[in-house]
Parts: sequence; structure tokens; C-alpha cells
Amino acid sequence: DAGVIQSPRHEVTEMGQEVTLRCKPISGHNSLFWYRQTMMRGLELLIYFNNNVPIDDSGMPEDRFSAKMPNASFSTLKIQPSEPRDSAVYFCASSFKTGGEKLFFGSGTQLSVL
Amino acid sequence: GENVEQHPSTLSVQEGDSAVIKCTYSDSASNYFPWYKQELGKRPQLIIDIRSNVGEKKDQRIAVTLNKTAKHFSLHITETQPEDSAVYFCAATSGTYKYIFGTGTRLKVLA
Repeated sequence: DAGVIQSPRHEVTEMGQEVTLRCKPISGHNSLFWYRQTMMRGLELLIYFNNNVPIDDSGMPEDRFSAKMPNASFSTLKIQPSEPRDSAVYFCASSFKTGGEKLFFGSGTQLSVL
Repeated sequence: GENVEQHPSTLSVQEGDSAVIKCTYSDSASNYFPWYKQELGKRPQLIIDIRSNVGEKKDQRIAVTLNKTAKHFSLHITETQPEDSAVYFCAATSGTYKYIFGTGTRLKVLA
């Protein structure tokens, strides 16, 4: 298995533009997580999906953020409109079970909003 | 709420020496404790984990110890090498999807 696959690796955009981040979890994993990593706040959980259903989106900072998981092999995180303070590394991760199991992270998307 | 404190935030050791990173968790229901290594510009990768029914686990040069009574767990790296230089994160979870991460330790191994 190629592991968790994220795209793009880097995204540079201007304030106000829409940004879409993509993730393909490991096949057979039923849990998918979106995290944001910054120096100031560390790793923050944005949203958690189980069996393609959003279970906890309390970490999504604002209504500008939305996430979908239309099927077991694909998820998106969208920011519309983007702002400079959204600049961070966004990681997708998946695991085999709901919790208490290994988390496998994707390579991340380095987002810069100018 | 649940919290994981990690110390130190930075650690420099001479190549060949040992390194120890410590974490303390607040949720007594926590039962799974993974450690992640993140090299610069790369993804966090699991290097070792321990469950609450075990007090110690070892994998070659790395080991993790758990003290449930004190709610402490530690990562031990022996015979450190330059390629061990990275940021290390501890985490704790009570078996749910909520993994509480520590703030990270930047380890530098000096050649």
C-alpha cells in the first residue's frame, strides 16, 4: 500500500481564493482525520470521519472550513475564502479502527496564503 | 480537558549518548500511547507505541516505559545517531478518536 496520499504537497494562493486539499486514506481504514500543524498550536484535530460520516467537526475553526468524504477512498478539506492565518501544514491521517490504534499520516499539504 | 505535557522542548546530545523524553497525561482513562518522529518537512511517523497493560516495550535502540500510577510515559533512545535528529511527539488516547498530542521535543544529535 502506498500509505495515505495527499495532494497537493504545496499550495500558494492569495487571500480570498478557494483552496481544496485532497486525501486518499489507506485501503481498509475506516477512520480519517484532518489535522492542522503550526508552530504556535502544534497538531490540532480539525475533523474526524468514521465510515465516511463526519463524527466530530468541533475543531474546524470557522465556517470558511468544510470537509467531505464522499466515499471510503477520498476526502477533501476546503477553505473558502482563504486568509493568511490559514497558512499551515495540513495533514490527513487514517487508522484501522475508531481509536486506540496506529495513526498513519499523509505527507501533508504546506499551505501559504498571501 | 485532557492534556499531555511533554518535556523537554529541545534536547541536544552527543552522538552515542542516550536521550530521554518524558510525557505526562491527565486522563486516567488513557490506554494507548504512541510516539511519533517527524523529520523536517516530513510527515509524523509512528516509531513505537505502548498499551496500558504493559509497563515497557523495546525495539532495538528505542524503548518506551509507562507508569500508570504517576501517569507518566517516556521515550528512551540509546546510542543516538545523527539520523535520530528530529521532532518527537508523544500522544495519549483512551481508545476513542481523540489523540491528545504533546507539544513536541526537538532532538539534536551532535556528531
